[in-house]
Amino acid sequence: AQRVTQPEKLLSVFKGAPVELKCNYSYSGSPELFWYVQYSRQRLQLLLRHISRESIKGFTADLNKGETSFHLKKPFAQEEDSAMYYCALSHYGGSQGNLIFGKGTKLSVKP
Amino acid sequence: DAGVTQSPTHLIKTRGQQVTLRCSPISGHKSVSWYQQVLGQGPQFIFQYYEKEERGRGNFPDRFSARQFPNYSSELNVNALLLGDSALYLCASSGGTASGNTIYFGEGSWLTVV
Repeated sequence: AQRVTQPEKLLSVFKGAPVELKCNYSYSGSPELFWYVQYSRQRLQLLLRHISRESIKGFTADLNKGETSFHLKKPFAQEEDSAMYYCALSHYGGSQGNLIFGKGTKLSVKP
Repeated sequence: DAGVTQSPTHLIKTRGQQVTLRCSPISGHKSVSWYQQVLGQGPQFIFQYYEKEERGRGNFPDRFSARQFPNYSSELNVNALLLGDSALYLCASSGGTASGNTIYFGEGSWLTVV
């Protein structure tokens, strides 16, 4: 079955500490992986996608096909990073309109 | 640009009733998708429409239906509401169905079934 697993419901770190939000997936074909973020009282928005291999707001994520993982990392967390983070996977030719989401991880960055 | 707009923002319905949720995509976007987000869960894909044709359907019963209009706006209909249909319903739009087309989400419609 196609599935995205985010094992942590809540991750709490102090400002300046490294952060890693875990994402594992199960998919039979070639996946395209994404991280979406939802800040308080804002709408869900794309943070980054694996094919871009870019760094957004200091976050990076590498697709590890061997471990079927796409963990989100940032070396030094900031308070404004506090938000809900969702890992997502696309199929059907990669349309982002048809995504499988994980349950999300709430990141709390303490001062 | 106002972004993806959805209406109503909140509504309460009784079991067995029917509900229609509306979505206006970003100007120029031809693809609209619908997601259901139950409290504590990630969004779950319901439908995708592109150029008024259904391009994908998630694992939802036939009580759920949708359509897209010539101006690319969309409606999601749910018949015979159950308590379990209580959720945030998200609409998302994009320029097309290709991999490079980022989707943009609306703020959602909160549906409570009592």
